[in-house]
Amino acid sequence: QKEVEQNSGPLSVPEGAIASLNCTYSDRVSQSFFWYRQYSGKSPELIMSIYSNGDKEDGRFTAQLNKASQYVSLLIRDSQPSDSATYLCAVYKTSYDKVIFGPGTSLSVIP
Amino acid sequence: KAGVTQTPRYLIKTRGQQVTLSCSPISGHRSVSWYQQTPGQGLQFLFEYFSETQRNKGNFPGRFSGRQFSNSRSEMNVSTLELGDSALYLCASSRDRGANGYTFGSGTRLTVV
Repeated sequence: QKEVEQNSGPLSVPEGAIASLNCTYSDRVSQSFFWYRQYSGKSPELIMSIYSNGDKEDGRFTAQLNKASQYVSLLIRDSQPSDSATYLCAVYKTSYDKVIFGPGTSLSVIP
Repeated sequence: KAGVTQTPRYLIKTRGQQVTLSCSPISGHRSVSWYQQTPGQGLQFLFEYFSETQRNKGNFPGRFSGRQFSNSRSEMNVSTLELGDSALYLCASSRDRGANGYTFGSGTRLTVV
């Protein structure tokens, strides 16, 4: 089992719809959780951090964390073509002081 | 505020050669982590340096090495290059070893021919 897994893509949604990206992790002691966005040919950019159970909203983005079920998700409301990118889930493992990335989910927003 | 600076942006090397990549983190950040990104393997952790000391190392052969200087700038070196080393090498800067997220550099695209 990989340490961080994401739903396989590519994921296509129409413009204006909600895009839902999921991520599961294997190590229960993981403490910090992140979503990065990576446009084609560019480097990853941090868009959301979440540290405790529940929802965290930032504009059109909502991150959800459920530590008991070991999953974290990212919802993008009112999806725009400019949201088309690969979204990387990352987990910070306190015990190792290491950040592990998932394989990424490619999102395409269709105008 | 300057971002994370990686040089060079692109490199073409032949098998058997060695290469050195450089990363200057954000001012005040003492942690530099290196990742290799390939289409098939995603982002793979290479190593992390904090205050001039290697704190973590990923599962890469000994041909991959690095160091960090007193001004927090970091270099990574790959010796005896193989075709499979062709990848995007990303440097990630943080104040707290990634606990609150990274800022990535633009990366170095290495092509081994």
